[in-house]
Amino acid sequence: DAGVIQSPRHEVTEMGQEVTLRCKPISGHDYLFWYRQTMMRGLELLIYFNNNVPIDDSGMPEDRFSAKMPNASFSTLKIQPSEPRDSAVYFCASSLSGGSKDEQYFGPGTRLTVT
Amino acid sequence: AQTVTQSQPEMSVQEAETVTLSCTYDTSESDYYLFWYKQPPSRQMILVIRQEAYKQQNATENRFSVNFQKAAKSFSLKISDSQLGDAAMYFCAYSRQRDDKIIFGKGTRLHILP
Repeated sequence: DAGVIQSPRHEVTEMGQEVTLRCKPISGHDYLFWYRQTMMRGLELLIYFNNNVPIDDSGMPEDRFSAKMPNASFSTLKIQPSEPRDSAVYFCASSLSGGSKDEQYFGPGTRLTVT
Repeated sequence: AQTVTQSQPEMSVQEAETVTLSCTYDTSESDYYLFWYKQPPSRQMILVIRQEAYKQQNATENRFSVNFQKAAKSFSLKISDSQLGDAAMYFCAYSRQRDDKIIFGKGTRLHILP
């Protein structure tokens, strides 16, 4: 398997623009997690899905952020409108079952820069 | 709320030496999991080692081992015979047994000196 795939690897955009980050989990994994990593706050869980259904979105910072998982092989994280404070590395991870029972496999991350 | 604290933002160790990274956590649960993840410069997060709280025996993976002190809520990572490829950010993490999500510490950046 190719592992968790994220695109793009780097994104530079201007404040106010819409940004869409994409993730393809490992085939057969039922759980998908979106994280954000910054120097100040470390690695934060934004939202996670089980069988394509959002289970916990309490980490989503505000209404400008939204995430979808239309099918088992694809998820998106959208920021609209983007702001400079959204600049971070965004990771997608997937696991066979819940994060404590099975290893979470991380993608390479998307580095987002909002100017 | 559960928290994970890594008190050492950065550490350095000479190649071939042994280094220990510290981690403490706060929880009222009795059943949980603890993890150490490695993030090299490539950014890819990789699971290094995992410990189940009900197991008294410390987990070991080759040169990596942990010192799990449940009463003290301490979970340190020991790297023996440090290699240049061990240079990375190391994250300690916690998850309740009945939970799906993992809580990460802020990380410790480890430098390996040749």
